[in-house]
Amino acid sequence: GAVVSQHPSRVICKSGTSVKIECRSLDFQATTMFWYRQFPKQSLMLMATSNEGSKATYEQGVEKDKFLINHASLTLSTLTVTSAHPEDSSFYICSARGRRQDVNTGELFFGEGSRLTVL
Amino acid sequence: KQEVTQIPAALSVPEGENLVLNCSFTDSAIYNLQWFRQDPGKGLTSLLLIQSSQREQTSGRLNASLDKSSGRSTLYIAASQPGDSATYLCAVSPDSNYQLIWGAGTKLIIKP
Repeated sequence: GAVVSQHPSRVICKSGTSVKIECRSLDFQATTMFWYRQFPKQSLMLMATSNEGSKATYEQGVEKDKFLINHASLTLSTLTVTSAHPEDSSFYICSARGRRQDVNTGELFFGEGSRLTVL
Repeated sequence: KQEVTQIPAALSVPEGENLVLNCSFTDSAIYNLQWFRQDPGKGLTSLLLIQSSQREQTSGRLNASLDKSSGRSTLYIAASQPGDSATYLCAVSPDSNYQLIWGAGTKLIIKP
């Protein structure tokens, strides 16, 4: 299957700082990437959808200025948590679909996730 | 509004047993349904994808069925192993945009 690499896997930062998480598709061109957030013992919540070369579409309740998403190339999308606070501590996961036969069937491929802890 | 429910929320069974995980959805107009596995603190692994026109998919010891009319899907795991312990999530795509609507998951523990 297609490979999606997410980095970093764990990050601890101080309150007020910004953190960038990268999501890369390694063997296919990701025309669309999705960013999810998961709080402990809860299901994944879609934060935003990004299409290569255009602005991300955010879900209701997700602050655009706080969670900056960039999808500048077909293999890379980034999520930047700006001015992070303890309540932003969560597990962030990206997924991608793109130009490959198996991906075009609707299957999404997921990164390993990034555990953010804001002190 | 589509809602996805997974029952039970947690399940613990002895090694070797066959088991069934359930997923139900309220709107039968789906594009596809996927089953995922999530290990603690890790990302997701896609297990099986069932298109809306399909009834079931199989991969190794896993078999997923789909009954759109009743809004149900099951994930059957044969001859369970301790390595199968994980949280299993099902998600439906309402259309070809592939945005997923998630169930809350079933935490499965296989006891050696």
